Amino acid sequence: DARVTQTPRHKVTEMGQEVTMRCQPILGHNTVFWYRQTMMQGLELLAYFRNRAPLDDSGMPKDRFSAEMPDATLATLKIQPSEPRDSAVYFCASGLKANTEAFFGQGTRLTVV
Amino acid sequence: GEDVEQSLFLSVREGDSSVINCTYTDSSSTYLYWYKQEPGAGLQLLTYIFSNMDMKQDQRLTVLLNKKDKHLSLRIADTQTGDSAIYFCAESRNQAGTALIFGKGTTLSVSS
Repeated sequence: DARVTQTPRHKVTEMGQEVTMRCQPILGHNTVFWYRQTMMQGLELLAYFRNRAPLDDSGMPKDRFSAEMPDATLATLKIQPSEPRDSAVYFCASGLKANTEAFFGQGTRLTVV
Repeated sequence: GEDVEQSLFLSVREGDSSVINCTYTDSSSTYLYWYKQEPGAGLQLLTYIFSNMDMKQDQRLTVLLNKKDKHLSLRIADTQTGDSAIYFCAESRNQAGTALIFGKGTTLSVSS
């Protein structure tokens, strides 16, 4: 059953704490995306990787966000320190190319209080 | 403009047809996609159309593409309550390494 797996599904944390979200892309997919979804902004592309190298992270606030792919089976998105405005659903998606269909995970719902 | 535009809400009665509209930005975009997001879930690819096509039909779904006006629509025939969801239009720009560009989504509400 090929699917993108994200953990945790829900995270509540206090402002100032570090948050790490994890994603396991579909085996064989070499492009991984991180999106953030809020009511106000809709779906925003934060960053994406091809063959584990970052291609574009211009949508990500650099001072507190970082995205990495330690290996082909794991992508991480870290926020340090977290702020209430970071509260959103964070989606990971994977695909074979950046500009073709992307397969989405179930998302991590982050609440920063 | 630079954004993929969609109307935010659509409300229909069960059994009616739904038409969700989208305006995209790049006339050279190669593929255009429709994704569906049910509550609490990720986005699921519903259908797509290649830019050299005008229409694609897949069971209850019909996608129409007007390249001149950069307009894409998704028609759902015989809409059911299970079709209630957010529908996202996305374009694939003809630029290597460019990720899909999504609209803000149209919330479809189906009443019985």
